[in-house]
Amino acid sequence: AQTVTQSQPEMSVQEAETVTLSCTYDTSESDYYLFWYKQPPSRQMILVIRQEAYKQQNATENRFSVNFQKAAKSFSLKISDSQLGDAAMYFCAYSRAGGTSYGKLTFGQGTILTVHP
Amino acid sequence: DTGVSQNPRHKITKRGQNVTFRCDPISEHNRLYWYRQTLGQGPEFLTYFQNEAQLEKSRLLSDRFSAERPKGSFSTLEIQRTEQGDSAMYLCASSFRGTGAYEQYFGPGTRLTVT
Repeated sequence: AQTVTQSQPEMSVQEAETVTLSCTYDTSESDYYLFWYKQPPSRQMILVIRQEAYKQQNATENRFSVNFQKAAKSFSLKISDSQLGDAAMYFCAYSRAGGTSYGKLTFGQGTILTVHP
Repeated sequence: DTGVSQNPRHKITKRGQNVTFRCDPISEHNRLYWYRQTLGQGPEFLTYFQNEAQLEKSRLLSDRFSAERPKGSFSTLEIQRTEQGDSAMYLCASSFRGTGAYEQYFGPGTRLTVT
């Protein structure tokens, strides 16, 4: 079974600075997807960024980028120029690629990010 | 396109009662997922549908839980004989076919409190 681990229950960052959230995962699959989701307080979860395991290039979305280390099974999220609106719970998630269970997400425990003005 | 909607947003019930939640996915999304999230934890997969077919159920989904998606549109999740351990946020998500299946859109959730 696949597992996702986020070892940082809480992180904080000053506005305009950079923060990195960590995630490790375990799988025996060779092809899969990794995601970072953001869940603001009392608001619904939204997708921040997605990485296909077969792609060597790290995904980027504006101020958000990932460091995907397939051999180490590590998938960290870097938020640059942090903004107050980035404050939320961040979840790392895994999905198989292909097979009947493709798309089904396995989530980590989450990291609460606080942004200080 | 108004996004994924869930009703009710909050439900308080007494132990032993039955409850039913509804999820309306984004139109034309053929996949629909149910997850359960307890306070301070990540969501856990419960079940999912492709069109009207329920393709997988988690071992978390005991016999007291049942989900349907008639005609491949909205879905309902029913919990019979609720227990205090059922208290959680129940999240619904939908996705499109093909590579779109890897981009799930979540609803606001239904928070269940069992007293």
